[in-house]
Amino acid sequence: DAGVIQSPRHEVTEMGQEVTLRCKPISGHNSLFWYRQTMMRGLELLIYFNNNVPIDDSGMPEDRFSAKMPNASFSTLKIQPSEPRDSAVYFCASINGIHPGTQYFGPGTRLLVL
Amino acid sequence: QKEVEQDPGPLSVPEGAIVSLNCTYSNSAFQYFMWYRQYSRKGPELLMYTYSSGNKEDGRFTAQVDKSSKYISLFIRDSQPSDSATYLCAMRQGGKLIFGQGTELSVKP
Repeated sequence: DAGVIQSPRHEVTEMGQEVTLRCKPISGHNSLFWYRQTMMRGLELLIYFNNNVPIDDSGMPEDRFSAKMPNASFSTLKIQPSEPRDSAVYFCASINGIHPGTQYFGPGTRLLVL
Repeated sequence: QKEVEQDPGPLSVPEGAIVSLNCTYSNSAFQYFMWYRQYSRKGPELLMYTYSSGNKEDGRFTAQVDKSSKYISLFIRDSQPSDSATYLCAMRQGGKLIFGQGTELSVKP
């Protein structure tokens, strides 16, 4: 099993640029979660999808952030325009919906906005 | 006030010590309680989960839940240097998890 796959693993960009993070959940999992982790705020849920439908996006910080899940095997998180305060590690996680707590996390994308 | 409070540490202990990690929460609707372990520069991985009040053991790890006090704990017996990581408590709210800040643990040989 390949696990949750995220790309890129590292991203360095300049303020104002568009950033797109990608996630491939584990095959057969029907829920997908995007998190942001910083030293100050810890691990925060941004948005989650169930069967490709956004269920709760209350954690998305502002309109500069958007997420899509066009099919069961792919999701994107986009930041446009990026700002230095967006610098963080972004994790994607998936679950098959039966087990309540076993979210499988990807390795994360380390984003630095200069 | 955050829904889940966890002392971020860092916590440093000698090898072989018993480690106690704790979280408090404010939402009595939480039913599932989890502990995740996160090694440096990796994603979190599920260590243990419990549903009800009481204890659950898995090898050197014991998870304890006290719903009346809204308090959960993770105990690590005979701690090893390989246990050095950040430990995050998490609680299920509907279809999502609410995480604590995480406690950074270092076990010194």
